[in-house]
Amino acid sequence: DAEITQSPRHKITETGRQVTLACHQTWNHNNMFWYRQDLGHGLRLIHYSYGVQDTNKGEVSDGYSVSRSNTEDLPLTLESAASSQTSVYFCASSEGQKGPTDTQYFGPGTRLTVL
Amino acid sequence: AQSVTQLGSHVSVSEGALVLLRCNYSSSVPPYLFWYVQYPNQGLQLLLKYTSAATLVKGINGFEAEFKKSETSFHLTKPSAHMSDAAEYFCAVSLLVSGNTPLVFGKGTRLSVIA
Repeated sequence: DAEITQSPRHKITETGRQVTLACHQTWNHNNMFWYRQDLGHGLRLIHYSYGVQDTNKGEVSDGYSVSRSNTEDLPLTLESAASSQTSVYFCASSEGQKGPTDTQYFGPGTRLTVL
Repeated sequence: AQSVTQLGSHVSVSEGALVLLRCNYSSSVPPYLFWYVQYPNQGLQLLLKYTSAATLVKGINGFEAEFKKSETSFHLTKPSAHMSDAAEYFCAVSLLVSGNTPLVFGKGTRLSVIA
């Protein structure tokens, strides 16, 4: 079955370290998204991509970067981890054919702790 | 810019009672609206979506929502709560006009079901 996976599921790191969170989908979806979930803030969009070589900044992109070299993967990199980036990170994908009515499919999340 | 407001960060109901989760949207153009559910330690999954075809939308697990333009609302209801409905629920909006537009999520409402 097609799916979307995230790795690692849990990560503990230290401030200042570079961290990369992986996201892989097997639906051949054009669109991919990264969100962070924090208590009291819901889900906030970090970066998104509408296809290979396309990336866009979301609401809370400072300190994060992404690159899209193939359809299946959108890794999220924290250039220099900060304690404020402790959060649960969700990756999502959507087909990209129906525009704003597309359903997004979410991965299981990565819990990141920055000490 | 479009946004959604979910009234009540936590709602508690008895098993068998009506579930009502409130969502109001703000948009200068006709919106597309979504409800997603997040079960504990999982990613989000789509419950239902409004795509302008019908104002009353039926979703999975017995949930439905009604789009009311005059009230700028898209409240989620279920006639009889089950213990398995305990989860966090997110309302989200995307614009009608743009091609591929990321979703804007509300802050979420946690539903507790009491036996």
